Amino acid sequence: QITLKESGPTLVKPTQTLTLTCTFSGFSLNTSGVGVGWIRQPPGKALEWLALIYWDDDKRYSPSLKSRLTITKDTSKNQVVLTMTNMDPVDTATHYCGHTSNGWFDPWGQGTLVTVSS
Amino acid sequence: EIVLTQSPGTLSLSPGERATLSCRASQSVSSSYLAWYQQKPGQAPRLLISGASSRATGIPDRFSGSGSGTDFTLTISRLEPEDFAVYYCQQYGSSPLTFGQGTKVEIK
Repeated sequence: QITLKESGPTLVKPTQTLTLTCTFSGFSLNTSGVGVGWIRQPPGKALEWLALIYWDDDKRYSPSLKSRLTITKDTSKNQVVLTMTNMDPVDTATHYCGHTSNGWFDPWGQGTLVTVSS
Repeated sequence: EIVLTQSPGTLSLSPGERATLSCRASQSVSSSYLAWYQQKPGQAPRLLISGASSRATGIPDRFSGSGSGTDFTLTISRLEPEDFAVYYCQQYGSSPLTFGQGTKVEIK
């Protein structure tokens, strides 16, 4: 059974850097074709894909946020870390990580709400 | 970037009725690389359909997906009380991955 869980701060101040960790079980990021992605959802709004990292360390980013995002993996810890710099109140959202092997996400973590406020 | 436009924004139906949700892409989605998700309040999205028409494990057969190119449809043949939720489409045929803005299926 594959499970993922997001962790990180619930509140960050404007201009700060956000670091989120996705800890997973039930699969390995050493397995060919496997990846983990991050998706966010502002309150009451739609889903937005942020970034994706594959087993071979191939990394993909949303073009609109690429300059602010970094995604890394630690296969020994079964973790994927996303950092987002220069946080702004418009970045307030629930952040999800999800397992992928073909481009769709299944399953997803439960999500973690990050609020950006001074 | 492929923009996905879902319609209608809200669908008001009664249990037992048929729901038809549309997802239109701004350009052709290669190899029908389109997925559908269901999201209930306070929950993470759940995969329903991948490859435009393949149901995910454990998804009831009242959910079906169809379409190709730029026009895709999610059909719920007979709405059950637990089906009232928001539905999103996502394309994974080209980078960046993109989601539609969602269709809310609400009880009439």
